[in-house]
Amino acid sequence: GAVVSQHPSWVICKSGTSVKIECRSLDFQATTMFWYRQFPKQSLMLMATSNEGSKATYEQGVEKDKFLINHASLTLSTLTVTSAHPEDSSFYICSARVAGADSYNSPLHFGNGTRLTVT
Amino acid sequence: GQQLNQSPQSMFIQEGEDVSMNCTSSSIFNTWLWYKQDPGEGPVLLIALYKAGELTSNGRLTAQFGITRKDSFLNISASIPSDVGIYFCAGQSYGNKLVFGAGTILRVKS
Repeated sequence: GAVVSQHPSWVICKSGTSVKIECRSLDFQATTMFWYRQFPKQSLMLMATSNEGSKATYEQGVEKDKFLINHASLTLSTLTVTSAHPEDSSFYICSARVAGADSYNSPLHFGNGTRLTVT
Repeated sequence: GQQLNQSPQSMFIQEGEDVSMNCTSSSIFNTWLWYKQDPGEGPVLLIALYKAGELTSNGRLTAQFGITRKDSFLNISASIPSDVGIYFCAGQSYGNKLVFGAGTILRVKS
């Protein structure tokens, strides 16, 4: 159980275009999903917390107009990288926590990540 | 902010050896988690710990939640080639965000 599916697994786009990444919880509902960014050989850096039905909460230094997050349902959150530039090339990973009374203490389950390359 | 110190940064061991890695923090956590990440994939949860002093096993893996709630260790017994990967510890305070360690790169020599 607790499977998180992320799509696409990799994408190559031209500079200036936008890319949308989907994160789905397949067998559970997630009121909260998290988006991380990971550079090679480094740890995961939290970008934003996606809340179903409300605005996302962005970490300091993360541009909300650059990284648009939509969490329209309890099983889907999307991250759109707008006007992508080569420096946006990275590994983006989403995660979700099972919704429930004690969900805030339950572990995060991660998707398989999306490798974005901007040329 | 909260930070985790994970060590060692990397390990290169012989197949069959036991492995130990740990995380420490200056802050108290309510939950300690251990993840493994293979190249090009997302982290996979190995063990979750919820109580101070808790010792939990998952196959050849054993992890403990430190009694002070400021540290945790992960042991891998009788390592095999597929244990290769990056291991991350993560701590969470009640209702707060997950904080990750920098990771331990494990390489196994067969």
